[in-house]
Amino acid sequence: SAVISQKPSRDICQRGTSLTIQCQVDSQVTMMFWYRQQPGQSLTLIATANQGSEATYESGFVIDKFPISRPNLTFSTLTVSNMSPEDSSIYLCSVGAGGYGYTFGSGTRLTVV
Amino acid sequence: GENVEQHPSTLSVQEGDSAVIKCTYSDSASNYFPWYKQELGKRPQLIIDIRSNVGEKKDQRIAVTLNKTAKHFSLHITETQPEDSAVYFCAASNYAGNMLTFGGGTRLMVKP
Repeated sequence: SAVISQKPSRDICQRGTSLTIQCQVDSQVTMMFWYRQQPGQSLTLIATANQGSEATYESGFVIDKFPISRPNLTFSTLTVSNMSPEDSSIYLCSVGAGGYGYTFGSGTRLTVV
Repeated sequence: GENVEQHPSTLSVQEGDSAVIKCTYSDSASNYFPWYKQELGKRPQLIIDIRSNVGEKKDQRIAVTLNKTAKHFSLHITETQPEDSAVYFCAASNYAGNMLTFGGGTRLMVKP
């Protein structure tokens, strides 16, 4: 299965600022997924990132708030923009290398103060 | 879209007992059903998965069953150990490489 390096692992940010999270995969993958996990909750899909096209966002998530880049088949970034305390969560990237056996990055624990 | 429901939300068992977690899904096109274990502060780890052409799969103390007609699948852990204590998530996907939809999670506590 693919190995994903995600950074930063955690950050404390001021409200109104932005944070960019990076994920690097050790193999080429068509789709990368970005999830949010609010404290004590399950994982909610933010968007699917395909190389060479705009990301597809789920209901409740918009590009202006969570812009995503996917410049190649091994890398993606998620930006959390104009942050508020409600954005405090764990953000995880995921890939489904080979179609099955989805793996996750180590997560970014974001605290907005 | 797909909706996955998971029960119970918390489960407490004695060490050595069995634990069963159940999930239902809504999209009959779903064909891949993984289970993840998430320990505190860590990423979800895949522990077992099943595809729609299989009714049951076992890996040592862990087994998963799938009933496509009823659209539900279950995780069975036998001879539970304290290190099994974690949050478990079921998920579903409707084709290879597509996004996963997760259940709400089950906090399993194994008491020594």
